[in-house]
Amino acid sequence: GESVGLHLPTLSVQEGDNSIINCAYSNSASDYFIWYKQESGKGPQFIIDIRSNMDKRQGQRVTVLLNKTVKHLSLQIAATQPGDSAVYFCAENPPAGNKLTFGGGTRVLVKP
Amino acid sequence: GAVVSQHPSWVICKSGTSVKIECRSLDFQATTMFWYRQFPKQSLMLMATSNEGSKATYEQGVEKDKFLINHASLTLSTLTVTSAHPEDSSFYICSARGGWLGRNTIYFGEGSWLTVV
Repeated sequence: GESVGLHLPTLSVQEGDNSIINCAYSNSASDYFIWYKQESGKGPQFIIDIRSNMDKRQGQRVTVLLNKTVKHLSLQIAATQPGDSAVYFCAENPPAGNKLTFGGGTRVLVKP
Repeated sequence: GAVVSQHPSWVICKSGTSVKIECRSLDFQATTMFWYRQFPKQSLMLMATSNEGSKATYEQGVEKDKFLINHASLTLSTLTVTSAHPEDSSFYICSARGGWLGRNTIYFGEGSWLTVV
């Protein structure tokens, strides 16, 4: 039968502004988290990761924040550029497991 | 550059035939690889975990006889869609972890578009 696609939440941001993408994860025991960027028709691209013993980690133009109390993860992109337009997924890795569980994704549209 | 390579990038096959997709880890040994399926505007759905030298572990609802997975070496896993039907048309993505990339870092291939006509 016909599958019904999810409507991805969309974040529209002006070029040069900062972007904040949020993600709620499900397993309080997860000890490792990753953000991926997926451009249309391509596989996910690793952006940044963070372990549960940290609450913040910075990369090049990106910062990931982890709030274990409310099981919340966010990705901040500084000075958003047109090339940042993509779908962003968070993923969590439970400690006893070997596989990732993905969030639903957020589409980021950068307006010139 | 890419650390995980998939081939082919896209393939069209006739209904009832089988098609094989390869996933290779480049410059590192992947003891574990994962196969995902993704429909338009949806997140990645894990199909199975491919372990080198042993049988794959399939997620609930995924037919193991339909989606054959072979992980014969530390750098290669294959997914074969058998007796393909139009509803199998999708974007298939593999990922790999292990080796010098670190235990927990997982990188993805570029994906393979399958269209069954």
